Amino acid sequence: AQTVTQSQPEMSVQEAETVTLSCTYDTSENNYYLFWYKQPPSRQMILVIRQEAYKQQNATENRFSVNFQKAAKSFSLKISDSQLGDTAMYFCAFMKGPSNTGKLIFGQGTTLQVKP
Amino acid sequence: EAGVAQSPRYKIIEKRQSVAFWCNPISGHATLYWYQQILGQGPKLLIQFQNNGVVDDSQLPKDRFSAERLKGVDSTLKIQPAKLEDSAVYLCASSSSRGGINEQFFGPGTRLTVL
Repeated sequence: AQTVTQSQPEMSVQEAETVTLSCTYDTSENNYYLFWYKQPPSRQMILVIRQEAYKQQNATENRFSVNFQKAAKSFSLKISDSQLGDTAMYFCAFMKGPSNTGKLIFGQGTTLQVKP
Repeated sequence: EAGVAQSPRYKIIEKRQSVAFWCNPISGHATLYWYQQILGQGPKLLIQFQNNGVVDDSQLPKDRFSAERLKGVDSTLKIQPAKLEDSAVYLCASSSSRGGINEQFFGPGTRLTVL
């Protein structure tokens, strides 16, 4: 069975600074996908960034980037130039491949507070 | 494009009562998911539909939970009878099966409180 662990329940960062959220996972699969989802206080979950396990290049989306270490089973999220709107709970999630419509297995979440 | 719609947004019931939640996915999305999110935890899949067929219901407490997706569009999740531990947010998500990496789009959720 796959598991996802987020070891930082809460984090805070000053506006405009950089923060890194940690995620580790456990799987025996070789084909899978990894995601970071953001859940603002209004609770609608939205996708931040995704990574295919077979790709060595780390995914980036504007101010968001990941550090994917497949051998270490680590998938951290870096938020650069933090903004007040980044305040939310962030979930790391795993999806088994090769199907692209599988279920998501979520970590426990990290609450991020961006301070002005 | 309209997002995933859910209703009601909030529901308070007494234990042993029954409750139903409704979800309308994004138009054209064949896959629909119901997740349960207990306070302070990540969502956990309850059931996944592909069109109107069940793909995965391994974590659905079938003695009290049921779900259906008639005509492969909207879906209903029911709890009967409810227990205190069912207090949670119930999230519906949908995705398209058309190529690429699946992105699941989530609805706003239904917050259930069981007293």
